[in-house]
Amino acid sequence: EVQLVQSGAEVKKPGESLKISCKASGYGFNNYWIAWVRHMPGKGLEWVGRIYPGDSRTTYSPSFQGQVTVSVDKSITTSYLQWTSLQASDTAMYYCARLYGGNSEAWFDPWGQGTLVTVSS
Amino acid sequence: QSVLTQPPSASGTPGQRVTISCSGRSSNIGRSSVFWYQRLPGTAPNVLIYRDNQRPSGVPDRFSGSKSGNSASLAISGLRSEDEGDYYCATWDDSLSGPVFGGGTTLTVL
Repeated sequence: EVQLVQSGAEVKKPGESLKISCKASGYGFNNYWIAWVRHMPGKGLEWVGRIYPGDSRTTYSPSFQGQVTVSVDKSITTSYLQWTSLQASDTAMYYCARLYGGNSEAWFDPWGQGTLVTVSS
Repeated sequence: QSVLTQPPSASGTPGQRVTISCSGRSSNIGRSSVFWYQRLPGTAPNVLIYRDNQRPSGVPDRFSGSKSGNSASLAISGLRSEDEGDYYCATWDDSLSGPVFGGGTTLTVL
C-alpha cells in the first residue's frame, strides 16, 4: 500500500525553528516528486514546494521561496519541511503528497494525514 | 487570493445535482489537466477526478468532471449527506512552474 505518514502536531513560539517529516512507503520513493501543501484555517490549499528524491531537485512556490526549506533523506524515504524562524502566520495544517502522473500535472496522490503547526507566544 | 476561482459555497438537498465551477487562465487550465480533490471533515484531501474527467477506482459515478477552455466543472448527482465537505480544483500553471489550487468550495447538504 502506498502511504505517507507525517510527524505529529507541533506547538512553537515565534522565532523558533521547526522541521516536520513525511515518511513514504509502498512505492519507488526516488521516482516521484514529493510536494508540501499548506492549509490555513478558513483558507484554500496552497502549494509550498516540492522535491524529487532521485536527485534532490527542489522547486518552490514564489510565495514560499526563501521562507521554508524542503529536503529529503533517501536512506529512510522521508521528506522534510523546515523553518528557521517561525511566525504566527505559519500556523496551519501542512500536508505532504506524492506527485503522481506526468512532470507537469497537479496530481497529488496519496496525501499524508497532515501535521498541524501552531505558532503562538 | 487563489490562482483558480471557485465559489466559496454550494448546497443542495439529498438526491439533487450540484455543480462547482473552477475558472482559470490560458497558462493553467487552458493548457493543463484539471484535478478535483475532496476534503471531508477531519481528513486529508483525496483525488476525486483526475485528468479533467477521469474517476479513480472507488469513486462513485455520481461524480463527474468536465473542462472547456479556461474553465472546469465538477458535478455531483444524487447528492448524499456524506458528500458534505470541501472541494478543490487544481491544475499546473506554466507561468508559476508549479501546481495551483482553487480557493475551495464548501458543499452543504441541506
